[in-house]
Amino acid sequence: QAQLVESGGGVVQPGGSLRLSCVASGLTVSSHGMHWVRQAPGKGLEWVAFIRYDGSNEDYADSVKGRFTISRDNSKNTLYLQMNSLRAEDTAVYFCAKDGVLTGWEPYYMDVWGTGTTVTVSS
Amino acid sequence: DIVMTQSPDALAVSLGERVTINCKSSQSVLYSSNNKNFLAWYQVKPGQSPKLLIYWASTRESGVPDRFIGSGSGTDFTLTISSLQAEDVAVYYCQQYYTTPSLTFGGGTKVEIK
Repeated sequence: QAQLVESGGGVVQPGGSLRLSCVASGLTVSSHGMHWVRQAPGKGLEWVAFIRYDGSNEDYADSVKGRFTISRDNSKNTLYLQMNSLRAEDTAVYFCAKDGVLTGWEPYYMDVWGTGTTVTVSS
Repeated sequence: DIVMTQSPDALAVSLGERVTINCKSSQSVLYSSNNKNFLAWYQVKPGQSPKLLIYWASTRESGVPDRFIGSGSGTDFTLTISSLQAEDVAVYYCQQYYTTPSLTFGGGTKVEIK
């Protein structure tokens, strides 16, 4: 069964850093772009970042550009999100998700989602 | 960025009744070269991760019950649940993928049982 499992969340002070990981099982993500999407407490979904299937390009929401870095290791079937200079407004559940289009050059829709990992930025 | 506006914010419907959720985009998400609408719908049940229901505005994801119907084109879209079931209680989101890389979601519509 296709599954994505995130880890690495936790409580961090403003200005701090965290690295999230997302491991895929039951599916090979190397032929698909991958996303990070977050949901702040009581809020809606917000797209955060996308990386192409081959890692050749990354895209970011303006709210995280210059602070977050998405990367992937296809040999490990794993996606990462390095989060630096964290702010209170980054507090959210972070989901990784597989793009629904095979070898898509751009981000499209997300057809497989992880269970999420919680990031809390607080002093 | 394209702004996605959903209505209503919430609704309560009796079991077996029809549910209609609207999603309006601030600009067209219809790509003329392939005549596809770059719009998806997701369901988020309490305490769960999002689930893809519909993509390309009207294509149902594998395994999604046929009571979920996506329709619309251009700037106006609708998700219809033809006969509400108890397990459909959730928040529903539309998402455009026309203007990349800035994917945007609607604000969500909460569906409850009356």
